Amino acid sequence: EIVLTQSPATLSLSPGERATLSCRASQSIGSYLAWYQQKPGQAPRLLIYDASNRATDIPARFSGSGSGTDFTLTISSLEPEDFAVYYCQHRSNWPLTFGGGTKVEI
Amino acid sequence: EVQLLESGGGLEQPGGSLRLSCAASGFSFSSYAMNWVRQAPGKGLEWVASIRGSGGSTFYAGSVKGRFTISRDNSKNTLYLQLDSLRAEDTALYFCATGRGETYSFLYWGQGTLVTVSS
Repeated sequence: EIVLTQSPATLSLSPGERATLSCRASQSIGSYLAWYQQKPGQAPRLLIYDASNRATDIPARFSGSGSGTDFTLTISSLEPEDFAVYYCQHRSNWPLTFGGGTKVEI
Repeated sequence: EVQLLESGGGLEQPGGSLRLSCAASGFSFSSYAMNWVRQAPGKGLEWVASIRGSGGSTFYAGSVKGRFTISRDNSKNTLYLQLDSLRAEDTALYFCATGRGETYSFLYWGQGTLVTVSS
């Protein structure tokens, strides 16, 4: 089973600042990584798929990079609505797994 | 518009069974792999199971293999999850989710159905 380790667990930033979130895989997963945003009481929302492709209607301030075992989600300038929990997920093989999440807080 | 509507959650005793359903609309259901993802209260996301569009292949997380069964009825555009031998640690909000076609990045999500396992 591929383990995804997200860091940091919590990121304390202010609106307008840049956020850099990390996801590390226990073995190579190519580019088969997705990023999700989840707000309290809501279902997750797909932000990035296949490491660097923005999903439909996702603002350009969200970008993804990486391949192999190290991946990064960058939010270039935080908007108030971006404060949430972010998860990574791989689809390289079975079983699929999610990372433990990074909370971006004000 | 893609819609996924889960139902069937509730309170069940340890060792009991439940059947969850996910009614899908707005896309060609039989062409899409379907998935269940759960989230225990205050915890992160956990993938549970997936099924290919044809229903011919199924995949499970180790924590549920042998106890849960994913299935689908393409004539009814409905996905199912049979939960047997329930344990307290199965308590969670269960989401139905799908991507585009046979991909496994989850673009569309339902709002979830809550399963509580307690005596």
